[in-house]
Amino acid sequence: DSGVTQTPKHLITATGQRVTLRCSPRSGDLSVYWYQQSLDQGLQFLIQYYNGEERAKGNILERFSAQQFPDLHSELNLSSLELGDSALYFCASSVSRTGSGYTFGSGTRLTVV
Amino acid sequence: GDSVTQMEGPVTLSEEAFLTINCTYTATGYPSLFWYVQYPGEGLQLLLKATKADDKGSNKGFEATYRKETTSFHLEKGSVQVSDSAVYFCALSANSGNTPLVFGKGTRLSVIA
Repeated sequence: DSGVTQTPKHLITATGQRVTLRCSPRSGDLSVYWYQQSLDQGLQFLIQYYNGEERAKGNILERFSAQQFPDLHSELNLSSLELGDSALYFCASSVSRTGSGYTFGSGTRLTVV
Repeated sequence: GDSVTQMEGPVTLSEEAFLTINCTYTATGYPSLFWYVQYPGEGLQLLLKATKADDKGSNKGFEATYRKETTSFHLEKGSVQVSDSAVYFCALSANSGNTPLVFGKGTRLSVIA
């Protein structure tokens, strides 16, 4: 157990739907990062939050949004889902703002049918 | 932009063989470099890291040396085991670690007895 908890582990939904992925960071970590892992694109950085504020944004689609709450857990919202959004979504946390080494959760596998 | 290029897999080796997985990078400033490992069904785990030129990261028999002149961070292990079978990711954080990690596409290693 890495200390980073992601729920749910698996999610199957239809095109056009909206889902929410949840991440609880390791105790004491203030930064949360979201990554999308697909076979053809590898690991793509989506967005980073630090202590409740957005810190960096990567290749995140406009249909996707995220937030970090006062208790530091984070949620990634994916809407108007398309078949191509099927992927593993990873959350990682770190104690600081910098990329000095992350702790990853075990991921949420999203399948859009 | 910042990027990481890894050798394409899959790589298949016999137990006790020597392993090299090549990694080169393009980055602004002075990046920190990382190797992560992903075992089947799990999230990524930090294997080793190096934060400045000529540093050598090492862990569990794996080593990688930060070579600024060749912009490389090749992963090596002298004698692989079946338990080393996994996907290995090279990653960087540019500007002395102040930006989110950028990952290579990963290299799948299979070690056969």
